[in-house]
Amino acid sequence: LAKTTQPISMDSYEGQEVNITCSHNNIATNDYITWYQQFPSQGPRFIIQGYKTKVTNEVASLFIPADRKSSTLSLPRVSLSDTAVYYCLVAPLDSNYQLIWGAGTKLIIKP
Amino acid sequence: DAGVIQSPRHEVTEMGQEVTLRCKPISGHNSLFWYRQTMMRGLELLIYFNNNVPIDDSGMPEDRFSAKMPNASFSTLKIQPSEPRDSAVYFCASSLTRGLEEQYFGPGTRLTVT
Repeated sequence: LAKTTQPISMDSYEGQEVNITCSHNNIATNDYITWYQQFPSQGPRFIIQGYKTKVTNEVASLFIPADRKSSTLSLPRVSLSDTAVYYCLVAPLDSNYQLIWGAGTKLIIKP
Repeated sequence: DAGVIQSPRHEVTEMGQEVTLRCKPISGHNSLFWYRQTMMRGLELLIYFNNNVPIDDSGMPEDRFSAKMPNASFSTLKIQPSEPRDSAVYFCASSLTRGLEEQYFGPGTRLTVT
């Protein structure tokens, strides 16, 4: 399983674009990249998933370079309610595996 | 759909007692996951089921922990006997298929063992 490395914490301000980068140097060919968001006292919530290049949904964008050794979650125009912990996961999409969740990135949005 | 339902939301018990946590996955989902989250260890996958069959229980910490899924709409995680170090938030999640596809988490059960 590919190990991921993320910043422990980040600060930003309302209205700004926030980019959180995840490093996964030993990603395998059949691995997908998935990001989850977790608010205090709640379970994680799926944000976005991708394999290569760029994926965009109504919440975020995910940028994956050609070598796939890293990925960047982009949150456009954040608000105070985006304050949460963000997890990057790398694993095969459809096989038996042991999911390994890192410490995540604690994002704090200030007014 | 009501989402993943877990009960109880909070449980306080004394060391040595048996604890049973319950989960109702989203209807139609084929995979069910049990996680434990603590400040020290983060989010850990304990066990997951696919079509009611345990697929990987390598994350179960020891024999005091057991999980069952008697049917597609119900699962339990049992700790017997409980210990203070079992204090954590336990999450249940379900997904449409096995794998890393979108998992839907329940609200969690906060367990405190004194």
